[in-house]
Amino acid sequence: GAGVSQSPRYKVAKRGQDVALRCDPISGHVSLFWYQQALGQGPEFLTYFQNEAQLDKSGLPSDRFFAERPEGSVSTLKIQRTQQEDSAVYLCASSLGGPGQGNSPLHFGNGTRLTVT
Amino acid sequence: QQPVQSPQAVILREGEDAVINCSSSKALYSVHWYRQKHGEAPVFLMILLKGGEQKGHEKISASFNEKKQQSSLYLTASQLSYSGTYFCGTGYYGGSQGNLIFGKGTKLSVKP
Repeated sequence: GAGVSQSPRYKVAKRGQDVALRCDPISGHVSLFWYQQALGQGPEFLTYFQNEAQLDKSGLPSDRFFAERPEGSVSTLKIQRTQQEDSAVYLCASSLGGPGQGNSPLHFGNGTRLTVT
Repeated sequence: QQPVQSPQAVILREGEDAVINCSSSKALYSVHWYRQKHGEAPVFLMILLKGGEQKGHEKISASFNEKKQQSSLYLTASQLSYSGTYFCGTGYYGGSQGNLIFGKGTKLSVKP
């Protein structure tokens, strides 16, 4: 596709359920990022992949959060035993850049809005 | 480490100018600017890498003062389409190459 695709667009989960959020990056983009965006706030970094390698997961809020990108393309963010505080928009972004990627623009998907009831 | 953006919100009439600032307490390696409309993905505007660098994008331009660790986004002759929330994202020397830290955003409303 032309842009970053995320699914589902909306997800409602009952507290304690597990969820899986999918991101399909722009073809050929080396780097993939997950961000969490609360209402009225800026995106907060969760984790970063370069190809299939997860190089930084310092932003994952707890061990309930897990991300993978097994073939260096599609990525899945999994949240186990969801809590109400997990409610947010989860944004995925990809970029061409590899090491020292500060000069590569991020291309964001439209996000998945997760609501935990 | 989160950069501080100012102002938090601004209302303009079409054709007016605005400046949005992004300041950091740590030495900056790069500054990204994005615009996000309600319910949509953030859209890339520009990246600044070097101190003193300026860039332009249509009637939107930005500067990066490395010594002051700040960047400013300039919107001239604003159009209705400029409405949205503007975020700066900052990269730091010694920081993770993948970790851009975003400010809380500046909400810009352009009225006819």
